[in-house]
Amino acid sequence: NAGVTQTPKFQVLKTGQSMTLQCAQDMNHEYMSWYRQDPGMGLRLIHYSVGAGITDQGEVPNGYNVSRSTTEDFPLRLLSAAPSQTSVYFCASRQDGTAYNEQFFGPGTRLTVL
Amino acid sequence: DAKTTQPPSMDCAEGRAANLPCNHSTISGNEYVYWYRQIHSQGPQYIIHGLKNNETNEMASLIITEDRKSSTLILPHATLRDTAVYYCIVRSSYSSASKIIFGSGTRLSIRP
Repeated sequence: NAGVTQTPKFQVLKTGQSMTLQCAQDMNHEYMSWYRQDPGMGLRLIHYSVGAGITDQGEVPNGYNVSRSTTEDFPLRLLSAAPSQTSVYFCASRQDGTAYNEQFFGPGTRLTVL
Repeated sequence: DAKTTQPPSMDCAEGRAANLPCNHSTISGNEYVYWYRQIHSQGPQYIIHGLKNNETNEMASLIITEDRKSSTLILPHATLRDTAVYYCIVRSSYSSASKIIFGSGTRLSIRP
């Protein structure tokens, strides 16, 4: 299994540009989520999904959209990039919503918005 | 989900046991204690979790106090590769979705 994969690894955008960060998992996990991590800070939850077709907001959802058309994929869209969205973005997945299973993280996407 | 409090940083000598404390005084009966670590900007890595009994796996041990208001993660023989930020998280078995909330964690430095 590849686990959780994210593309691209690095990205530089100009203010106002849009882009999509890709996330995929091959473990047939129901739950997927996106976090951002600013320098020296912990992770903050952006959006999450409890299954295909179902998404919800986390702590810091503004400026981001998500969709979950398949179990495997959970892309994160930046509609109009702003310098405040410069961060490292992590995608994660786990089997289901119970507390009995661990969360697997991808390697991250480092985004810079100029 | 209950909030956790951890010291911002700690250090430990290589080969010694590293004991990382976590306070979760508002924890409720159905909430589990999880530990993750993040090594130098990689994605966080799961370490261990528990409800009320002490737990041990190949990476670490988790000691939860009887009143469950605090816990300690123990790395029995710390190595330089254990240098990381360690996150203590509590969440309910009944929580909806992937709402695992990370705090600021403890930055553990292992000195040679």
